[in-house]
Order: sequence, then C-alpha cells, then structure tokens
Amino acid sequence: NAGVMQNPRHLVRRRGQEARLRCSPMKGHSHVYWYRQLPEEGLKFMVYLQKENIIDESGMPKERFSAEFPKEGPSILRIQQVVRGDSAAYFCASSPGLEYNEQFFGPGTRLTVL
Amino acid sequence: AQTVTQSQPEMSVQEAETVTLSCTYDTSESDYYLFWYKQPPSRQMILVIRQEAYKQQNATENRFSVNFQKAAKSFSLKISDSQLGDAAMYFCACLDSNYQLIWGAGTKLIIKP
Repeated sequence: NAGVMQNPRHLVRRRGQEARLRCSPMKGHSHVYWYRQLPEEGLKFMVYLQKENIIDESGMPKERFSAEFPKEGPSILRIQQVVRGDSAAYFCASSPGLEYNEQFFGPGTRLTVL
Repeated sequence: AQTVTQSQPEMSVQEAETVTLSCTYDTSESDYYLFWYKQPPSRQMILVIRQEAYKQQNATENRFSVNFQKAAKSFSLKISDSQLGDAAMYFCACLDSNYQLIWGAGTKLIIKP
C-alpha cells in the first residue's frame, strides 16, 4: 500500500510565478491536511479538506493561497504570485476519517522562491 | 489556544546512552492525542510514538518510551541505547478534537559516536 505521495519534491519559482503542489493521499483515505514548515520551525496547519470540500482553511493566508481536493485526482495546493517568504517545506497528510487519530505524512515539497 | 512547547533546541548524547527530550502542551480538551515525530535530513516525518490522553499507561515502542504526566501537561520522550540513526529533529505534536496537529518547534538530537 503506497504511502502519501507528494510531487514535486523540490520546486523552484521566481517571484510572481505560480506554484502548484500535489498530494495523493493513501488509498482509502478521504481526508487531507496541508502543513507548512518554515526553516528551523515546527509545522503549522494550513487547511483541511475532504473530497470536494474545504472543511477548515483557518491556517491558510487569505490571499494568493488556495487548495482543492477534487472528486478525482490529487489534492492541489496553489500559491499565486509567490514571494520569497513562501519558501518553505509543504507537507501533506491524510487519514481515513476524523475518528482515526493518526495522520500519515508525505515526504513534503520544498519550495524555493528566487 | 492549544500550544506545544519544546524548550530544548538541541540535545546531544553519547552513542548507547539514554536521552530524554522534553515537551509540554496546553489544551482545554479532555480527549486528545500526543505524538513524537522524527524528521531526519531527508525531511520525511516519521511517527515515533503516540499516546492517548485517556490512557494512564505510558506508551512504549522498543527503545522509545514516553513519560506522560497529564496533570502537569508534560510528555517527554526517552530514547534508550541511542544509535547513530537516531540523529534527527524530533517534534512533539498534539491532536485534539479540532483535528489540527499542533507542533512544537523541535529538538535537534545529536548522537556522539
């Protein structure tokens, strides 16, 4: 059973470009969580999605950031008009449901904004 | 607000010895879960051990064990017989009914050969 997949593993963008980060949850998991890790810090919650629904986006910046988890395909975290401060590692986690108390993490995408 | 605090930015231990990493947390929930994750240089988050708050018995996974003090809101990780492969960042995290994992800032563990 493949784990949580994230791609790309490394992404380099120039200021003003768009970044698209993909996350494929584990098979059978319908809940996806995105976290951001700034250098030398712990992870910070960004958004929680179920299939076709955003449940909680309280940790997401109000502008330039959006997330989706369509019926088919991976979850996408989109960052428009990236700035240097967006440089971070972005982790995706998945779980079968809320009643399951463990989140399984992908390897992360390291975004570097030049 | 829920918070997790790791007061040790860095710890070092001699190979084969025992080290304890500290973590305190604050939550208003009565039902929650606590985790220790390991993040090696590959940056993959690896679950080391977890504790359910309603269980009084301390969790144990091979060389890893926790000292869970619920009243003090303390959740320390003890690593016995430290090995070179244990070198990594260690993060403490808390999950309550709000489904968000709240993370500490991490402790860098250095193993001296």
